[in-house]
Amino acid sequence: DQQVKQNSPSLSVQEGRISILNCDYTNSMFDYFLWYKKYPAEGPTFLISISSIKDKNEDGRFTVFLNKSAKHLSLHIVPSQPGDSAVYFCAASYAGKSTFGDGTTLTVKP
Amino acid sequence: DTGVSQNPRHKITKRGQNVTFRCDPISEHNRLYWYRQTLGQGPEFLTYFQNEAQLEKSRLLSDRFSAERPKGSFSTLEIQRTEQGDSAMYLCASSLLGGGTESFFGQGTRLTVV
Repeated sequence: DQQVKQNSPSLSVQEGRISILNCDYTNSMFDYFLWYKKYPAEGPTFLISISSIKDKNEDGRFTVFLNKSAKHLSLHIVPSQPGDSAVYFCAASYAGKSTFGDGTTLTVKP
Repeated sequence: DTGVSQNPRHKITKRGQNVTFRCDPISEHNRLYWYRQTLGQGPEFLTYFQNEAQLEKSRLLSDRFSAERPKGSFSTLEIQRTEQGDSAMYLCASSLLGGGTESFFGQGTRLTVV
């Protein structure tokens, strides 16, 4: 039973447009949600997080939205840049332990 | 270098052999995690330590897998009697104690069992 799901394996957007990556979870005990970015041959790198007591967190071009009632979060990247092309993992955390989704490959076309 | 370091980066071994991987976390981090990642999937939790104590081990982890973190510093992950299904990327991450803080990942060790 996969507790964190990223239903879109891939997403392609034009440079300058918005990228929206989605994530759903099932366990209501999760209290923090994180997004990681991964380039080939590297480990995941932390991007942005949100506490379960908030519904939005913004950091530059990256914004994460949390809808607890729907058990859904999303990552918005505006404007998208070619350097954003990578695999994005959603993670949900409880007691310091994170459960990851299977990732969405984002391709930003120049 | 203040990042998480993993060695070796690549390991090819014959089925049935034992392998050991090492992870050096960020020095002030008291939590250390091991994950396994296969193609097309996200990191899958294996085990984690708080200082030298192993606090949780995944039910998916067979008895052939063992991890240690002596003195709460570096950690080793050993796989005994390797099987082809053990082929994967093994990732180590460290973090500061406290919920919600991000983990810092190493570059991983890619294991190929032939």
